[in-house]
Amino acid sequence: QVQLQESGPGLVKPEETLSLTCTVSGGSITTGKFYWSWIRQPPGKGLEWIGYISNTGTTFSNPSLNSRLTISLDTSNNQFSLNLTSVTAADTAVYYCARTLTPEESFDIWGQGTVFTVSS
Amino acid sequence: DIQMTQSPLSLSASVGDRVTITCRAGKNIGKFLTWYQQKPGKAPKLLISTAATLHSGVPSRFSGSGSGTDFTLTISTLQPEDFAIYYCQQSYDIPFTFGPGTKVDIK
Repeated sequence: QVQLQESGPGLVKPEETLSLTCTVSGGSITTGKFYWSWIRQPPGKGLEWIGYISNTGTTFSNPSLNSRLTISLDTSNNQFSLNLTSVTAADTAVYYCARTLTPEESFDIWGQGTVFTVSS
Repeated sequence: DIQMTQSPLSLSASVGDRVTITCRAGKNIGKFLTWYQQKPGKAPKLLISTAATLHSGVPSRFSGSGSGTDFTLTISTLQPEDFAIYYCQQSYDIPFTFGPGTKVDIK
């Protein structure tokens, strides 16, 4: 079955760039009617959708993060990635990657999540 | 952004109880509404999509209803493993937004 696994640094200094990768196993990232999402959850708080990328590389982002965010696809390694520039303490959260069903746009398979902290 | 609200934000219930959680959208979202369950330290789990479609493998004691702006998640007979936080999410418009969550704990 399809599984997702996030990887990346656990700690980044303010104003630096967060780079996370989601590795998809058990299925190809380019087949099927799926998009691939990033979602985050600050400590003790609710969920925030960051953005997603289609299996052809089209991206859609949360406007609140638009200017700082890049989501990309690496089909050769069956991965997709998130780059978030100029991070602040407000970006501290658990970051999840998730498979997104279309057209209902529901997140049916999630990674386990990776904790990311912004601190000097 | 479409604002999502939930009520109650927390509730205490006993095993065997019938539990109902309400989600309200800030505008008409049709049936573009999904429910998730999240347990401590775990990723959310998809329960119901398009307001009322039970996801594969989800027990039939979970059901969803509603359309437009008002939606309901019902757990017909609460089981010990159902104590968790429940979130609704709209997928009518980008950015997709979640409700604040409803915590269901043991009475």
